[in-house]
Amino acid sequence: KAGVTQTPRYLIKTRGQQVTLSCSPISGHRSVSWYQQTPGQGLQFLFEYFSETQRNKGNFPGRFSGRQFSNSRSEMNVSTLELGDSALYLCASSLGGQVTYEQYFGPGTRLTVT
Amino acid sequence: SQQGEEDPQALSIQEGENATMNCSYKTSINNLQWYRQNSGRGLVHLILIRSNEREKHSGRLRVTLDTSKKSSSLLITASRAADTASYFCATLNNAGNMLTFGGGTRLMVKP
Repeated sequence: KAGVTQTPRYLIKTRGQQVTLSCSPISGHRSVSWYQQTPGQGLQFLFEYFSETQRNKGNFPGRFSGRQFSNSRSEMNVSTLELGDSALYLCASSLGGQVTYEQYFGPGTRLTVT
Repeated sequence: SQQGEEDPQALSIQEGENATMNCSYKTSINNLQWYRQNSGRGLVHLILIRSNEREKHSGRLRVTLDTSKKSSSLLITASRAADTASYFCATLNNAGNMLTFGGGTRLMVKP
């Protein structure tokens, strides 16, 4: 099976812009989670989607949003970018039901905000 | 905020030695998982231990869990240069809907 794919892999944006990141889970996986990784804050949970519904959300401002499509692909959007949004954004998929099983991570999207 | 704290933050050993990393967490959990990350890339799942288990093995990996102390340890035996990476513990809450990662341990294995 193909692994989790994320596009784009690298992105440079300026403050105030918005950005959309895409994640395609492993075939058959219905749960997709998003994480932000920075040197200062480490790995932080953004949100998790299952069957097109957001089931859980981390402690991030409303500028961070996401959605999941019927084919389980997911996108996350960050509006009004700030310098502090520079990070590696990781998505992970897992089998449906609960986030009980191991998560399979994509390679990440490296976002740089200037 | 992070659920887990990992100790040590960095560890440097020689090839062939054993590496032990510890993870402490704050709230009750469903399970605890360990992941490896190579230099700014995606994480790879290593092993999962459920809250009712005390020890688990997978190849050169041994994980222990002490729920009374809210702590876990990961032992890598006979380390190799290829084991150089960051290792993270992650706890699944009892609701089973949120995985929280610790700060990670950076392991360097010198050939």
